[in-house]
Amino acid sequence: AQTVTQSQPEMSVQEAETVTLSCTYDTSESDYYLFWYKQPPSRQMILVIRQEAYKQQNATENRFSVNFQKAAKSFSLKISDSQLGDAAMYFCAYIGGADGLTFGKGTHLIIQP
Amino acid sequence: NAGVMQNPRHLVRRRGQEARLRCSPMKGHSHVYWYRQLPEEGLKFMVYLQKENIIDESGMPKERFSAEFPKEGPSILRIQQVVRGDSAAYFCASSSNRLAANTGELFFGEGSRLTVL
Repeated sequence: AQTVTQSQPEMSVQEAETVTLSCTYDTSESDYYLFWYKQPPSRQMILVIRQEAYKQQNATENRFSVNFQKAAKSFSLKISDSQLGDAAMYFCAYIGGADGLTFGKGTHLIIQP
Repeated sequence: NAGVMQNPRHLVRRRGQEARLRCSPMKGHSHVYWYRQLPEEGLKFMVYLQKENIIDESGMPKERFSAEFPKEGPSILRIQQVVRGDSAAYFCASSSNRLAANTGELFFGEGSRLTVL
């Protein structure tokens, strides 16, 4: 079974600084996708960024980028120039089989003004 | 173009009652996924449905829980004889096809929060 582990229950960063959220996963699949979702207080899940496992190049979306280390099964999210609106729960997720998305337990990101 | 619509947003039930949660997918989407989020946890997959078919229910509890997605109308997640442990946020997501869902083209609703007294 696939598992996704987020070892940081909470992270805090000063506005305009950079923060990195960690995620590791376990799978026997060779082809899969990884995602970071943001869940603000409204509770809606918003896709932030995704990475295809067969692509070596790290995905980037504006201020959000990932560090994908396939051999280490690591998939961290870097948020540059943090903004107050980035405050939310962030979930790392995996899909590679038939069981839908597998989510980590989340990291609560606090932005200090 | 409305997104995924879930209702009710909040539902309170007493132990032993039934809870019905509804999900209308995005226009043009025929694939629906239900997830449950317990407090301080990530979302856990429950069931995947296409119109009139259950494709994968490997995440559904064996008893009291059922789901359907009829030809007409929303998808329904039904919980019979609710217990306190059923208190959670239930999220629905939709996609246009299975491949789209696997590549991240999965759109979530805002969830339905069930509280069992």
